[in-house]
Amino acid sequence: GAGVSQSPSNKVTEKGKDVELRCDPISGHTALYWYRQRLGQGLEFLIYFQGNSAPDKSGLPSDRFSAERTGESVSTLTIQRTQQEDSAVYLCASSRDYFLNNSPLHFGNGTRLTVT
Amino acid sequence: GQQLNQSPQSMFIQEGEDVSMNCTSSSIFNTWLWYKQDPGEGPVLLIALYKAGELTSNGRLTAQFGITRKDSFLNISASIPSDVGIYFCAGRANDMRFGAGTRLTVKP
Repeated sequence: GAGVSQSPSNKVTEKGKDVELRCDPISGHTALYWYRQRLGQGLEFLIYFQGNSAPDKSGLPSDRFSAERTGESVSTLTIQRTQQEDSAVYLCASSRDYFLNNSPLHFGNGTRLTVT
Repeated sequence: GQQLNQSPQSMFIQEGEDVSMNCTSSSIFNTWLWYKQDPGEGPVLLIALYKAGELTSNGRLTAQFGITRKDSFLNISASIPSDVGIYFCAGRANDMRFGAGTRLTVKP
């Protein structure tokens, strides 16, 4: 597609369940990013991929969070044993290359996660 | 660290007024970006700045990359109701960091 696509757009889950969020980046973009945005707040950096590699996982909030990317394309963000504090919009973005300065991020519309 | 301080946090203005918001940091950035986020959507890129001192316009929007590389501002001239939204600055050094956003309300 022309832009970054995220699915599902909305997800309601019960506390303790696992969820998987999917991101399809812009074709040809080697860098992919995950951010979290709590209601009325700014963007909290979670993790980025250059190709299929994630060099820095320190932004992930806890060991319940993990992310992977395959084929330098689709990425999934998995949250295990969800907690109510995980409720937020999870935004994915991609860019041509992580190391290029003139390579702005393009965002998807996010997945709104609600943990009940 | 690479913390960005964005101000003001919110603005309430009358249609037709000019708007100015800025971001500052104690760290040097190589790139400054400005995004706008509408409700229920992801941030959309407005202006990208890649050189210190660069001044770039996009319609009624003007943004500058500060000479010290530690700040940037965004101006919106002659605001209209559809300018309503949250504006984020983003700076790139080792990675991309975002300001906390400026929530703009425009009264007709």
